[in-house]
Amino acid sequence: NAGVTQTPKFQVLKTGQSMTLQCAQDMNHEYMSWYRQDPGMGLRLIHYSVGAGITDQGEVPNGYNVSRSTTEDFPLRLLSAAPSQTSVYFCASRYTGAWRYEQYFGPGTRLTVT
Amino acid sequence: AQTVTQSQPEMSVQEAETVTLSCTYDTSESDYYLFWYKQPPSRQMILVIRQEAYKQQNATENRFSVNFQKAAKSFSLKISDSQLGDAAMYFCAYRNQLRGGSEKLVFGKGTKLTVNP
Repeated sequence: NAGVTQTPKFQVLKTGQSMTLQCAQDMNHEYMSWYRQDPGMGLRLIHYSVGAGITDQGEVPNGYNVSRSTTEDFPLRLLSAAPSQTSVYFCASRYTGAWRYEQYFGPGTRLTVT
Repeated sequence: AQTVTQSQPEMSVQEAETVTLSCTYDTSESDYYLFWYKQPPSRQMILVIRQEAYKQQNATENRFSVNFQKAAKSFSLKISDSQLGDAAMYFCAYRNQLRGGSEKLVFGKGTKLTVNP
């Protein structure tokens, strides 16, 4: 298994540009989520999905959109990039068959908005 | 709202010594999970250890163990026989399950651990 994969690893955007961060997992996990990590802030939840066709907002959803058309993919869209969205973005997934299972994280995408 | 506090922004330990990282959390729930994640310079988030709130026995994973004090809402991580590869950011995280299969995973701000040779 490749686990959780994210592309790209690094990205630089200009203010106002849009882009999509890709996330895929091959473990057939129902639950997927996006986090952002800022210096001194830990990880904060942006959006999550409990299955294909179902998404919901997390702690910091403004400026981001998500969709979940398949179990495997959970892309994160930045509609109009702002410098405040400069961060490291992590995608994670989890098997929901038992409550004890932890989330598996992707390698992260470092995004800089100038 | 649930919060997780790591009061030590940085810690250092000598190789082969023992170090304890602190974590406290605030919740009104009775059923939840607690985790310690390790983040080396590669940025990858790696699960170190987990603890179910309903279990009184402290979790252990090789050189890593926790001291879980439910009444005090404390969840510290002890690393024994520290190795150079243990150097990383360590995040404490709290999770409880919500209705509809969703969950709330809250992270602390992290503790940077340096291991000195």
